[in-house]
Amino acid sequence: QKEVEQNSGPLSVPEGAIASLNCTYSDRGSQSFFWYRQYSGKSPELIMSIYSNGDKEDGRFTAQLNKASQYVSLLIRDSQPSDSATYLCAVNMGSGNTPLVFGKGTRLSVIA
Amino acid sequence: GAVVSQHPSRVICKSGTSVKIECRSLDFQATTMFWYRQFPKQSLMLMATSNEGSKATYEQGVEKDKFLINHASLTLSTLTVTSAHPEDSSFYICSARVVSGADNEQFFGPGTRLTVL
Repeated sequence: QKEVEQNSGPLSVPEGAIASLNCTYSDRGSQSFFWYRQYSGKSPELIMSIYSNGDKEDGRFTAQLNKASQYVSLLIRDSQPSDSATYLCAVNMGSGNTPLVFGKGTRLSVIA
Repeated sequence: GAVVSQHPSRVICKSGTSVKIECRSLDFQATTMFWYRQFPKQSLMLMATSNEGSKATYEQGVEKDKFLINHASLTLSTLTVTSAHPEDSSFYICSARVVSGADNEQFFGPGTRLTVL
């Protein structure tokens, strides 16, 4: 069974703090990992992709990947109320055009 | 990122009618598109994988005769909800993947909100 696990939250952080979102996945051979942000009533928006072990930074976002631990995380620095959304972790567990496997999402609430 | 459009964004129809939703990749070619459905406060649910020039692959429990998918070109896939009923009311979202070397990012359209009366 191919699974992606996320804590459903809600995760509440004060404005300006670091939000840490975590995700584990079942398929050790997975190579591609993605974080999406979904606002209520909207479709998911890709915010980060990561393919290699280590950290990848883009603005206030940092994705971290540890394939040995089958763990991927997203850090949001200087969190803003506009970051309040559901964050979806997605993993490509196959090759070619295999559908992504999505976690159920973590709801983040940034308190002003 | 790549742009995926959907049309219409919102549709209200009577029970028993059919509704067609279009999904277009605007600045890239997509050999594969994906169709999802999402009910309020629930997770994304993959309905089917749409392959250009061939039959779609449906997920278990999704009726292929009710949800007709056509992927006639590298930039257009359509989903037709046939004989729609109130229980089909949902948020339908398409997605397309950009494959560039080792990268394979997937982008979502804005979604179509279907309400069946």
